[in-house]
Order: sequence, then C-alpha cells, then structure tokens
Amino acid sequence: GEDVEQSLFLSVREGDSSVINCTYTDSSSTYLYWYKQEPGAGLQLLTYIFSNMDMKQDQRLTVLLNKKDKHLSLRIADTQTGDSAIYFCAEKRSGNTGKLIFGQGTTLQVKP
Amino acid sequence: DVKVTQSSRYLVKRTGEKVFLECVQDMDHENMFWYRQDPGLGLRLIYFSYDVKMKEKGDIPEGYSVSREKKERFSLILESASTNQTSMYLCASSFRSRGRMSSPLHFGNGTRLTVT
Repeated sequence: GEDVEQSLFLSVREGDSSVINCTYTDSSSTYLYWYKQEPGAGLQLLTYIFSNMDMKQDQRLTVLLNKKDKHLSLRIADTQTGDSAIYFCAEKRSGNTGKLIFGQGTTLQVKP
Repeated sequence: DVKVTQSSRYLVKRTGEKVFLECVQDMDHENMFWYRQDPGLGLRLIYFSYDVKMKEKGDIPEGYSVSREKKERFSLILESASTNQTSMYLCASSFRSRGRMSSPLHFGNGTRLTVT
C-alpha cells in the first residue's frame, strides 16, 4: 500500500520520555519528516532525517530510522505540557515533485 | 522566516456556492500544495503546483480545481461546495528539490471551512 501509519493517541506524564512511532511503505523515500501541530495552527517542521542516516538528535528530540523495517520514531525527552500537540510523520519519495505523504497524526497528551 | 499566508481562518459557505481559498508565500518557492485535514485521516493532498500555470492532481482532486497565475499565489476553488467538503484546508510551499536538498514544506495556519 501507499500509507504512512501512526498510532492515533499517546498519553505521558510530564517529565517522562515520549516515543511516537511511524511506519512507511516506500523504500525509495529520500527524506522523512516530523511535524508538530498545535491547536488552531498549521504544521510546524520539527526535524527531518535523510534516508541514509540511522539517527538524528536535536536537543530534546531524537529521530531513529530503521530502513529495513521502514520504521521511524520520534523520542521527546523530558516531555513538557507545551509538547501537547498532534505529531505527523511524512515521507518524501524519490522524484522531484516535492510532495510529502503524511500519516494520520498522533495526538500527544502530557499530564502534569 | 518563511511566511505562508492563507486569506481566511474561518469560512462558512452554503451548499452549491463557489468558494475560493487563497494562499500566498513570500519565499519565492516553486512548489505549492493544498491539503485537507480531517480527524483520523491526517493530511490528504488535493492539488499541487510546481511552477506558474502548472498543476497536478493529488490524491483527492474531485470537486476541486486550482489556479496558479503568479508564483507567490496558489488558489483552491470549490466549484460547487458540498457538505462533505467541510474540513480544515492547509496550504504549503517548498523549494523545488535539487540534489540532496531536503526541501521541507512550510505551512500556513489553515482555513477551517464549514459548508451548510
């Protein structure tokens, strides 16, 4: 299939780590992205990883890519209430159209 | 900072009306996109454009058309609005991919359209 799949909901306590998972189907994907959407807003780019990398770290965010299993994850360390949002993973496939294929989005709820 | 501006945050239209959603970007991006967002379905691509006057259908183009007369502006048109087009509409833009450039999409804040 052509889908990018995410679980719909994750709840964590403030201070814990959050791990949001994503699977994709196209082995020719060149870049994989994580976007964050706060209520009433558009999507904000959080981070991205090139397909020949296994890991990328950016402050509290760690992206892991398992290309063999077509599995992507986003780990948020020391999760804060301000991290409550919808998180989308997206893949860019080979070719120059530039379009991204998005997952359904994971709603992260952070409890104080 | 890239700015993608959608002309309306909220719109309420009647069934059968012709509806125009406008989007403007200020970064000289070649690519522009229209997505709709529905709960549990994520973002689905309606149309995109990779140059002035060029357009390509996305995954759900039925009931929509687009116009790209100038590089900075990309319009989404609902020829005859229907209730199943009630949704959040998101415009995005990006540079054309060159080599290994990541060319991420930059999004506007969205237009929530209600068709009654």
